[in-house]
Amino acid sequence: EMQLVESGGGLVQPGRSLRLSCAASGFTFDDYAMHWVRQAPGKGLEWVSGISWNSGNIGYADSVKGRFTISRDNAKNSLYLQMNSLRAEDTALYYCAKGITGTIVDDYFDYWGQGTLVTVSS
Amino acid sequence: QSVLTQPPSASGTPGQRVTISCSGSSSNIGSNYVYWYQQLPGTAPKLLIYRNNQRPSGVPDRFSGSKSGTSASLAISGLRSEDEADYYCAAWDDSLSGLYVFGTGTKVTVL
Repeated sequence: EMQLVESGGGLVQPGRSLRLSCAASGFTFDDYAMHWVRQAPGKGLEWVSGISWNSGNIGYADSVKGRFTISRDNAKNSLYLQMNSLRAEDTALYYCAKGITGTIVDDYFDYWGQGTLVTVSS
Repeated sequence: QSVLTQPPSASGTPGQRVTISCSGSSSNIGSNYVYWYQQLPGTAPKLLIYRNNQRPSGVPDRFSGSKSGTSASLAISGLRSEDEADYYCAAWDDSLSGLYVFGTGTKVTVL
């Protein structure tokens, strides 16, 4: 059974850092691109970042570019999101999502985790 | 912020047909595939339609997608109570360094 389990969320002060993780199982992790999508409380979905199967192609939303870094460890079947200089507007439920191809271009998401909540507040 | 515009709400009675629109531009819907996701209350989104009009395995044929120019639509026929959810369109946007953009979302209520 395919599973994506996010972790690492929590309450953090503005300006601080947090690292999210996503543990994948039930599929060949290094065949697929992976993505982070977030949802602020009561709001819609926002794509945050994506990474290709071999980390050779990476993309970020303008809202997080320069502050967030996506990475993956195929040996550990894990996806990460390093979030620096956090702002109140980064408060959201962060979902890990599996792509359907190996590249982030023209990709889409066929499986999602349950999300981990990040709250940025003093 | 979303660059794909959807109506905030739509509703219908059981058995009716409901249509949700998604308006974009030449850099997203006009030149790329459209995807639709369903988010039931308190759950993660689920892929409903891919590549404009394709249904993943397990998605009922009551759900159908279409695209014309810079707009797309999702139709739900034979509306059922379990269809009450938020629906989001999405597409890649060529003008924004290859960003993936979601629609503003539509809450479907079954009356």
